[in-house]
Amino acid sequence: EAGVAQSPRYKIIEKRQSVAFWCNPISGHATLYWYQQILGQGPKLLIQFQNNGVVDDSQLPKDRFSAERLKGVDSTLKIQPAKLEDSAVYLCASTPSGGAPDTQYFGPGTRLTVL
Amino acid sequence: SQQGEEDPQALSIQEGENATMNCSYKTSINNLQWYRQNSGRGLVHLILIRSNEREKHSGRLRVTLDTSKKSSSLLITASRAADTASYFCATEQGGKLIFGQGTELSVKP
Repeated sequence: EAGVAQSPRYKIIEKRQSVAFWCNPISGHATLYWYQQILGQGPKLLIQFQNNGVVDDSQLPKDRFSAERLKGVDSTLKIQPAKLEDSAVYLCASTPSGGAPDTQYFGPGTRLTVL
Repeated sequence: SQQGEEDPQALSIQEGENATMNCSYKTSINNLQWYRQNSGRGLVHLILIRSNEREKHSGRLRVTLDTSKKSSSLLITASRAADTASYFCATEQGGKLIFGQGTELSVKP
């Protein structure tokens, strides 16, 4: 079974530029999560999708971050414009069902550096 | 906001020794999970313990949960160099996981 795929693995941009990350969850997984992990900290949930609907985006900085999962499969997370404090690893995870997250399956992450 | 606080922040041991990491949390939980993260990689689920369980084993891992103290511990027995990683506890609340800051474990050969 293929795991969660993410691209790119690394991205370096200047502040005020835009960037997009892509995630393809495990086939059949209805729930998809985007996390932000700042160096030295645990992952922080940004947004949770159930199929193509948003379940929780309470911690997503909506003035600059956006995410979509139009067909309920893969997802993109965008930052526009980026700030220095957005430097982090962006992790995507998925689970089979929409219930309580017993086990989340994580992708390798995208490491973003904002200069 | 971070729910779990982990202790110690960093731990360095010799191969063959046991490693114990602790996690404390603030509110009621449905379950508590432990994840491992190797440098530059995604997180891997290790073990889940439900709020009505007190202890769980998986291979060289032993997890305990004390809901009265709102704390959990992860014990790795007979550690190996390959166990070097960051370990995170995560509590499930309202259908989402909230991660702690992590313990960085270094196992020296």
